Amino acid sequence: AQKITQTQPGMFVQEKEAVTLDCTYDTSDQSYGLFWYKQPSSGEMIFLIYQGSYDEQNATEGRYSLNFQKARKSANLVISASQLGDSAMYFCAMSPFSSGSARQLTFGSGTQLTVLP
Amino acid sequence: ETGVTQTPRHLVMGMTNKKSLKCEQHLGHNAMYWYKQSAKKPLELMFVYNFKEQTENNSVPSRFSPECPNSSHLFLHLHTLQPEDSALYLCASSQDPWGGETQYFGPGTRLLVL
Repeated sequence: AQKITQTQPGMFVQEKEAVTLDCTYDTSDQSYGLFWYKQPSSGEMIFLIYQGSYDEQNATEGRYSLNFQKARKSANLVISASQLGDSAMYFCAMSPFSSGSARQLTFGSGTQLTVLP
Repeated sequence: ETGVTQTPRHLVMGMTNKKSLKCEQHLGHNAMYWYKQSAKKPLELMFVYNFKEQTENNSVPSRFSPECPNSSHLFLHLHTLQPEDSALYLCASSQDPWGGETQYFGPGTRLLVL
């Protein structure tokens, strides 16, 4: 079974500053994918960034980057130059590349980010 | 329409009502999913469909009945629900249901059961 841990229930950041949202995971699978999603108060789950376990380089997508440390089983999301519109709940998730029911996407409990003007 | 759409966005129903949630994906994907998001709980996967065939049912009560007539449409039929079923119901799709595939979500249906 997979488990995702997000230890920061809430985070505050000043506008234009960078912020790191923590995510650790536990899995016995050798191959897996890691994802970050953003959920504004409207409810929609917006895909942000993906990291494959065999990718040697950290994923980047605009202002989002994923600090992937495989040995520590961590996949922290870094948001640079925060904007007011970044205020939302952020979820870390993972999915193994194995067969069977273990392929499902497992989510963490989320981090509520508030960007201050 | 683009991406994944869900209707209705909000739904209030009594415990004896029957209602249906609809999801449509415009991404050409083969797999579709239903998730439940309750307050203060992580997202829970309910059902997975691959090429219209149900491949996962995570011990969901029978008062929730999914239907997938084709790869683009997914329904969740609701009957005799309980107040604890009040939650945000999210639909998602991916190219295939294999692990590692990015899932794209709809805006969700906020359900309140009275």
